[in-house]
Amino acid sequence: AQSVTQPDIHITVSEGASLELRCNYSYGATPYLFWYVQSPGQGLQLLLKYFSGDTLVQGIKGFEAEFKRSQSSFNLRKPSVHWSDAAEYFCAVGASGGGNKLTFGTGTQLKVEL
Amino acid sequence: EAGVTQFPSHSVIEKGQTVTLRCDPISGHDNLYWYRRVMGKEIKFLLHFVKESKQDESGMPNNRFLAERTGGTYSTLKVQPAELEDSGVYFCASSPTRQRGETQYFGPGTRLLVL
Repeated sequence: AQSVTQPDIHITVSEGASLELRCNYSYGATPYLFWYVQSPGQGLQLLLKYFSGDTLVQGIKGFEAEFKRSQSSFNLRKPSVHWSDAAEYFCAVGASGGGNKLTFGTGTQLKVEL
Repeated sequence: EAGVTQFPSHSVIEKGQTVTLRCDPISGHDNLYWYRRVMGKEIKFLLHFVKESKQDESGMPNNRFLAERTGGTYSTLKVQPAELEDSGVYFCASSPTRQRGETQYFGPGTRLLVL
């Protein structure tokens, strides 16, 4: 069965510092991978997704993620964090069967220090 | 264009009571998904509608949960009778197709607390 692991429950960074959020997946074939963000009081918003092609994916709000098959990872990065990036971030993998249901990790709560 | 909306935003009920959650998907989206996040855990899939039909309900925890999507528009998720372990955040999402990799658009969630 597919699974997603986000090893870091909480991360604190200073504004302007770089950010990397880790995501490891378990999946038998080529995975469809997603990063979502949830700001307080908001729904989950898609940051970016990968399913083929270039392994470095650009997303919204200056985020990018790199798919590394050899490491079963899909880490999210941002070169310079803004205070408004404080939120909870979720990595997810899409199902192989019909329907496209998502399997999520437990999330990483990001705190940004000013 | 309006996003996915959910009602109520919060609900506090006592064990044994009934609660009904509603989700209005983005207009024209045939696919509607329900997910749940129990505190401290991952967001878990509950079920998937294609129009008014249940495509996949493999994530429904037990028969106390009943989901409907009348006319293929809005959906309701009823919990009857509610138990303490049903507390959590219930998310609804919609998408135009069910193709793998299709973006799902999420609502803000309903926070359910069962006392």
